[in-house]
Amino acid sequence: DVKVTQSSRYLVKRTGEKVFLECVQDMDHENMFWYRQDPGLGLRLIYFSYDVKMKEKGDIPEGYSVSREKKERFSLILESASTNQTSMYLCASGGVNTGELFFGEGSRLTVL
Amino acid sequence: GESVGLHLPTLSVQEGDNSIINCAYSNSASDYFIWYKQESGKGPQFIIDIRSNMDKRQGQRVTVLLNKTVKHLSLQIAATQPGDSAVYFCAESGANSKLTFGKGITLSVRP
Repeated sequence: DVKVTQSSRYLVKRTGEKVFLECVQDMDHENMFWYRQDPGLGLRLIYFSYDVKMKEKGDIPEGYSVSREKKERFSLILESASTNQTSMYLCASGGVNTGELFFGEGSRLTVL
Repeated sequence: GESVGLHLPTLSVQEGDNSIINCAYSNSASDYFIWYKQESGKGPQFIIDIRSNMDKRQGQRVTVLLNKTVKHLSLQIAATQPGDSAVYFCAESGANSKLTFGKGITLSVRP
């Protein structure tokens, strides 16, 4: 069974803390993505990566960074969390030339 | 800029009826158009996609229609079941499989 695993389902952090969200996929996919999902706004792309050590900004990269040191792992980093980063974060992976992405179950982050 | 939008935020249907969920898109250069289903507490799940050179594709109980003239995408679900209750997203695919999602529509199935 193919899988995208996000390290934490629920996190509560304080303003200014550094936050790491980890994502691992077992499908040997080239492409990996981080989205955030907010009510009424749908899914918005933060960053994506199409190869190891490669990254591209999505539509809302401000306040975030990413790391892809290994093909199977894509990490989202909030250097200094703020309350407006309270959201559901979804990681996804996919092969090339396909619209089919596989999503993790999400990480709900609350920043106090 | 790119935008993918849904016409209505919610849709309520009777169990057993057919459902039609509509979506408008703006980027004519997209290679694929895709529908995802998101159940409560889970990540979105791929339902069906259609390439830009097609106008119809059928799956199991689902059909996707693409009208490039008016930049319109629709998802038809036959004999809607309670398990079809979810949020549905349309998306369009660009380079490197980067997807742009619509805002989502909630499908509610009445017993």
